[in-house]
Amino acid sequence: QQPVQSPQAVILREGEDAVINCSSSKALYSVHWYRQKHGEAPVFLMILLKGGEQKGHEKISASFNEKKQQSSLYLTASQLSYSGTYFCGTDSGGSNYKLTFGKGTLLTVNP
Amino acid sequence: DSGVTQTPKHLITATGQRVTLRCSPRSGDLSVYWYQQSLDQGLQFLIQYYNGEERAKGNILERFSAQQFPDLHSELNLSSLELGDSALYFCASSVAREQFFGPGTRLTVL
Repeated sequence: QQPVQSPQAVILREGEDAVINCSSSKALYSVHWYRQKHGEAPVFLMILLKGGEQKGHEKISASFNEKKQQSSLYLTASQLSYSGTYFCGTDSGGSNYKLTFGKGTLLTVNP
Repeated sequence: DSGVTQTPKHLITATGQRVTLRCSPRSGDLSVYWYQQSLDQGLQFLIQYYNGEERAKGNILERFSAQQFPDLHSELNLSSLELGDSALYFCASSVAREQFFGPGTRLTVL
């Protein structure tokens, strides 16, 4: 089943923070975050594995609560380059690693 | 640049035709995944191959088929094309769980 992302869209000014949430009704093994700019390939940001870890990548970090089957992506001090659609992809474990993606969150950062 | 290559970049064809999309994974990656992205359906998993063998299937139509060759490149074959097959088709490759996407093939069916 497709994870649910919220919000669907968010508009920020440069320097502001945002949180994007991803929630699943299924037990998850891992959550993957991608950013996609229009007409381009999704770019891998990070993966969070079962275990409730938090990860960071410059000013972008994420958390994973496996008990609630939820993950959140935190963007701090946003830059114009952060604009794009953010997708979470979920994987329920097993020997295949196929991902089920949410519908995406459109993030627009304005000067 | 993820290291995954896809050809062609754009493909325009007519209904009823058959096309082949090609993907070369990153060096050392044994898994290849195919995804379809359309405006109404989002990013949908189609099929996964691991070292030449089919590993998982998603919502792939019977008109679509794929294979992975001994050199690990993969091809996605789409036949009896319909207008609704117009979409971006991505392949991704991985050595573990992290998947890296190629630039995609934009298919337009007229």
